[in-house]
Amino acid sequence: EPEVTQTPSHQVTQMGQEVILRCVPISNHLYFYWYRQILGQKVEFLVSFYNNEISEKSEIFDDQFSVERPDGSNFTLKIRSTKLEDSAMYFCASSRGGDQPQHFGDGTRLSIL
Amino acid sequence: GENVEQHPSTLSVQEGDSAVIKCTYSDSASNYFPWYKQELGKGPQLIIDIRSNVGEKKDQRIAVTLNKTAKHFSLHITETQPEDSAVYFCAASRPDKLIFGTGTRLQVFP
Repeated sequence: EPEVTQTPSHQVTQMGQEVILRCVPISNHLYFYWYRQILGQKVEFLVSFYNNEISEKSEIFDDQFSVERPDGSNFTLKIRSTKLEDSAMYFCASSRGGDQPQHFGDGTRLSIL
Repeated sequence: GENVEQHPSTLSVQEGDSAVIKCTYSDSASNYFPWYKQELGKGPQLIIDIRSNVGEKKDQRIAVTLNKTAKHFSLHITETQPEDSAVYFCAASRPDKLIFGTGTRLQVFP
């Protein structure tokens, strides 16, 4: 069964550094998402992306965050200057349509030191 | 604002018993309600979903009910097994995003 894959599984970064999280969505999906989950808390929406542009974003997704689909298969989340509070699990998801089931990857654990 | 409340936060049952998890959503525009199971170290896995034009949906031991008027939806697991132990999240969807509940840690004891 097709699945969403994310790399790396764990990323350790110094505060203030830039980090890029990578995702390969399911191949025939058109909508792409990033969510985050702080340890022990619920999953929070960050951003949705369709047709090469952001379709919706949350308050968390400020100017330090950006997303990109650099080629036909990858979808990336960049944090320009990381803060301690950015430490969390980051999940990528994809779906066929905006109101279709979203399928999640296993996440990247981001640890900011 | 958009919010999804989920109860209980923890649920312990004996193998073979039933488990029920309840959610309430606030946004009337929500029209799609998925349930996810999250095991340790893994991403959320979709287990069942329901749309706003349907009141109930069943898939083997799992069922979901929706009361759109009351903005309630529930997950029912019958004949629970130890491998059902995980954290379960409900979510309410508007196009382009999911709003998740706070999660229920289900423990099934043999």
